[in-house]
Amino acid sequence: KNQVEQSPQSLIILEGKNCTLQCNYTVSPFSNLRWYKQDTGRGPVSLTIMTFSENTKSNGRYTATLDADTKQSSLHITASQLSDSASYICVVSGGKLIFGQGTELSVKP
Amino acid sequence: GAVVSQHPSRVICKSGTSVKIECRSLDFQATTMFWYRQFPKQSLMLMATSNEGSKATYEQGVEKDKFLINHASLTLSTLTVTSAHPEDSSFYICSAHRGGMFQETQYFGPGTRLLVL
Repeated sequence: KNQVEQSPQSLIILEGKNCTLQCNYTVSPFSNLRWYKQDTGRGPVSLTIMTFSENTKSNGRYTATLDADTKQSSLHITASQLSDSASYICVVSGGKLIFGQGTELSVKP
Repeated sequence: GAVVSQHPSRVICKSGTSVKIECRSLDFQATTMFWYRQFPKQSLMLMATSNEGSKATYEQGVEKDKFLINHASLTLSTLTVTSAHPEDSSFYICSAHRGGMFQETQYFGPGTRLLVL
């Protein structure tokens, strides 16, 4: 069964701190893996997209990694800001998009 | 990046009425658009795939007669919730597929909050 599992479910960190979100998947065939940021009441916004051959990709303070062998990905956020508070969704494309449940990140001052 | 808009952003309607939601790709042509529904604290659930000029493909469990989808042009898809009931209250999000030489991606609209009283 195609699945995308994210951890933790929720996370609270202090402003300025770093954090790492995890994504494990069992999706076949695999086309690419994406990380989205979804603010409350808004649509998801793409942060990174990685294909099978890419191990890491950065977008500003966001760095995503992909290990296609272990089928794991992570999203690292550096020097968090209050505006980083959102839901972060890992999505794996294998024909159809398979969505993770998301990690709810809250950055506190 | 590419822009996808939705209209309206939120709508409140009475039970039994129909509601139409528009999804537009503003700066690219999208042969395929997708409609999702999202309940609080849950991830997006694909409802249907909308292809320009042809009938939409619905996911299992989604009533095609209740959720009418029309993709009349390469930049516009509409979702009509017919005879809406309170259980249809949800956040509806569309996305537009943009193909490319190196990688394809989907751009999501801002969502439409539907509340059925």
